[in-house]
Amino acid sequence: AQSVTQPDIHITVSEGASLELRCNYSYGATPYLFWYVQSPGQGLQLLLKYFSGDTLVQGIKGFEAEFKRSQSSFNLRKPSVHWSDAAEYFCAVGAHTDKLIFGTGTRLQVFP
Amino acid sequence: GAVVSQHPSWVICKSGTSVKIECRSLDFQATTMFWYRQFPKQSLMLMATSNEGSKATYEQGVEKDKFLINHASLTLSTLTVTSAHPEDSSFYICSAGGGRDSHRVETQYFGPGTRLLVL
Repeated sequence: AQSVTQPDIHITVSEGASLELRCNYSYGATPYLFWYVQSPGQGLQLLLKYFSGDTLVQGIKGFEAEFKRSQSSFNLRKPSVHWSDAAEYFCAVGAHTDKLIFGTGTRLQVFP
Repeated sequence: GAVVSQHPSWVICKSGTSVKIECRSLDFQATTMFWYRQFPKQSLMLMATSNEGSKATYEQGVEKDKFLINHASLTLSTLTVTSAHPEDSSFYICSAGGGRDSHRVETQYFGPGTRLLVL
């Protein structure tokens, strides 16, 4: 079955600290992978996406993610977190013509 | 980038009434739009795929007669929650596919969402 797992429901970090949000997927075909961010009461903003090629993907707001096929993972990273990064982060998987399947999300809290 | 709007941003209604939510692609034509539902502290669940000029495709378990979807133009899709009940209270988010390859997931652009509260 197709699924996306985000093992961490809630993560708290100090401002300036590094961040890694985990995402594991199960998908029959070669997947397209996405990370979205959602601020409270808002829609989703695309941070980055992976379709093919270089497995290290750069996104907006200083985020990057690395696709590891052997581990079925697509973890999101940021070297130095800002207070404005506090939000809900969703990993999603899909393929050409398929619907997006979202993970359950990770809520990021940032302390000054 | 492509902009998708939703209206209203929030709505409160009485049980038994119908509520219409609009999803518009502002600067591109979207042959495909998607409607999602999100419960508090949960993920997004796809409700249906809306194709311009044809019937929507509903996901398993979603009541077609309860959630009416119309995609009458390349820039507008509407979701009508008929005879709303408190359990329909949720955050509804649409996304729009742009360009010739609008059915491809990588071209989905999300709206800001509509919060529905049914009393």
